[in-house]
Amino acid sequence: GENVEQHPSTLSVQEGDSAVIKCTYSDSASNYFPWYKQELGKRPQLIIDIRSNVGEKKDQRIAVTLNKTAKHFSLHITETQPEDSAVYFCAAYAGGTSYGKLTFGQGTILTVHP
Amino acid sequence: SAVISQKPSRDICQRGTSLTIQCQVDSQVTMMFWYRQQPGQSLTLIATANQGSEATYESGFVIDKFPISRPNLTFSTLTVSNMSPEDSSIYLCSVENGQYFGSGTRLTVV
Repeated sequence: GENVEQHPSTLSVQEGDSAVIKCTYSDSASNYFPWYKQELGKRPQLIIDIRSNVGEKKDQRIAVTLNKTAKHFSLHITETQPEDSAVYFCAAYAGGTSYGKLTFGQGTILTVHP
Repeated sequence: SAVISQKPSRDICQRGTSLTIQCQVDSQVTMMFWYRQQPGQSLTLIATANQGSEATYESGFVIDKFPISRPNLTFSTLTVSNMSPEDSSIYLCSVENGQYFGSGTRLTVV
């Protein structure tokens, strides 16, 4: 089955700096890669996603890049703000007949210091 | 968009008992997904619930422990049976391929 590795497990940045979180996946058939933000005690919230036919996608301060050959994708947050502090999860949609089966990375605790 | 109402939001249960978690969606959806998030961990898919058929369980999860109902296209339940402290987790339902999650049920087994 699909295996998703996420790094780093914790990331601490100063307000205004950029943050980058990286994920690798194992199943070359995976074709959908969402990113989630989970604040303490709350549900995961989809913040951006990318499909395998696109190399990069941007939405204001966040962007995601995908390298299908290397089987890795990254989340980039620019001009970080304290409210960006949360746990971020990447995920990959496993190919095959299991519609909608997402495999999640281990998570990254992002702390943005004012 | 889809709005999911999940309940209960939290519960403290005695070991050996069972708890049923409900998810109600404000629109009809083909698939509903149940996840477990153990303390400080990531999300793990328990099973996929398709209306009108048996749920599909992931490796490590069995129907006797986590029976699921899907009586219609807007509702599903997950039961955590014969609970032990190791079942203490957050349980979440999801629809639309992970686009939307319920608010979660924080279960503590004592």
